[in-house]
Amino acid sequence: NAGVTQTPKFRILKIGQSMTLQCTQDMNHNYMYWYRQDPGMGLKLIYYSVGAGITDKGEVPNGYNVSRSTTEDFPLRLELAAPSQTSVYFCASSYSSGGNQPQHFGDGTRLSIL
Amino acid sequence: GQQLNQSPQSMFIQEGEDVSMNCTSSSIFNTWLWYKQDPGEGPVLLIALYKAGELTSNGRLTAQFGITRKDSFLNISASIPSDVGIYFCAGPSGGSNYKLTFGKGTLLTVNP
Repeated sequence: NAGVTQTPKFRILKIGQSMTLQCTQDMNHNYMYWYRQDPGMGLKLIYYSVGAGITDKGEVPNGYNVSRSTTEDFPLRLELAAPSQTSVYFCASSYSSGGNQPQHFGDGTRLSIL
Repeated sequence: GQQLNQSPQSMFIQEGEDVSMNCTSSSIFNTWLWYKQDPGEGPVLLIALYKAGELTSNGRLTAQFGITRKDSFLNISASIPSDVGIYFCAGPSGGSNYKLTFGKGTLLTVNP
């Protein structure tokens, strides 16, 4: 099982460029999440999805968009990259709600905006 | 929103020593989760706690759900070099069971 796969692993963007961070999971999980991790700041939820076709904002959604057309995929889109979006981005998935359903994380995408 | 405060922010210990870290909140949590993040990887769940006063072990790791439901503790006994990483506490927030709030983490360094 691959679990949660994120691509690319690293990317450098210029200010104003756009890009899509890819996330796919092969565990048939309904719930998927995007977090950003800044140094010393823990993880903050950007967007989440409770199933195909359903997405909602998390704590820090500004500057990002998501879509969920399939159960497996949950891409995160940056339309106009800004230096403040330099961060490590983690995608996660879980089978259902509840703390007893652990969130499985990918290995992250390290994004620098210059 | 709800916030989780972890302490200490970082620890430097010798191999073989025991480690204690904690997580506190001004709000009540119904579930406490402890994750570990190895360098260059995503967080991995270590222990989940569901009941006030609960004490749960996972190998050399033991975690407790505080009686007040506003804190949790993680202990690591007889530390080894592979214990190095960032330890995060987390809990469901905003009235949701699946939206997690994370603490800022405790960075653990183990000197062989």
